[in-house]
Amino acid sequence: QKEVEQDPGPLSVPEGAIVSLNCTYSNSAFQYFMWYRQYSRKGPELLMYTYSSGNKEDGRFTAQVDKSSKYISLFIRDSQPSDSATYLCAMRAGGTSYGKLTFGQGTILTVHP
Amino acid sequence: EAGVTQFPSHSVIEKGQTVTLRCDPISGHDNLYWYRRVMGKEIKFLLHFVKESKQDESGMPNNRFLAERTGGTYSTLKVQPAELEDSGVYFCASSQRQGPTDTQYFGPGTRLTVL
Repeated sequence: QKEVEQDPGPLSVPEGAIVSLNCTYSNSAFQYFMWYRQYSRKGPELLMYTYSSGNKEDGRFTAQVDKSSKYISLFIRDSQPSDSATYLCAMRAGGTSYGKLTFGQGTILTVHP
Repeated sequence: EAGVTQFPSHSVIEKGQTVTLRCDPISGHDNLYWYRRVMGKEIKFLLHFVKESKQDESGMPNNRFLAERTGGTYSTLKVQPAELEDSGVYFCASSQRQGPTDTQYFGPGTRLTVL
């Protein structure tokens, strides 16, 4: 069983839609949760970072963490064609302030005009 | 400020040959990570340097892979001899040592194809 499960999609939505992306995880040691965005032929770029249960909002993006259910989500409001990319959830164990990330497979998102 | 750079961007080699990938982290970043993504799979951790020391190499698949970071600056990842299953995209990331919000910045990756 993978430590982090993420539906690879692909997901196609019209411009302006609300997008919901999700990951589940099995390792209780994960304490830090991230969402990365990756455009084609580029490296992953950090989008959101959370380390507690609850919601964190940044512009059109909201990250949600539910540690009791081992479930994280990323919501994109008013989606734009420029949001078309692969979205990767990533997690890190606690205990140190740095260290290896464990990724989900990534969800391919296309926002069409 | 320059980001993480990787060289080459793409490499095509035959099975049994040797390939060396290079990563230049962001200046001043002590932490350097190597990750790999094989087709259809998730990005997987290979190893982590703190300056020139290997902090964690638990993700290295076997002894055909050798990573170095001389002087705590750039890093190389050598695959010798390469096998078909080594094909994939190799990412390098770097970060500063700074509390829980330590952010890993990724390079564009090296796409390795082993024929």
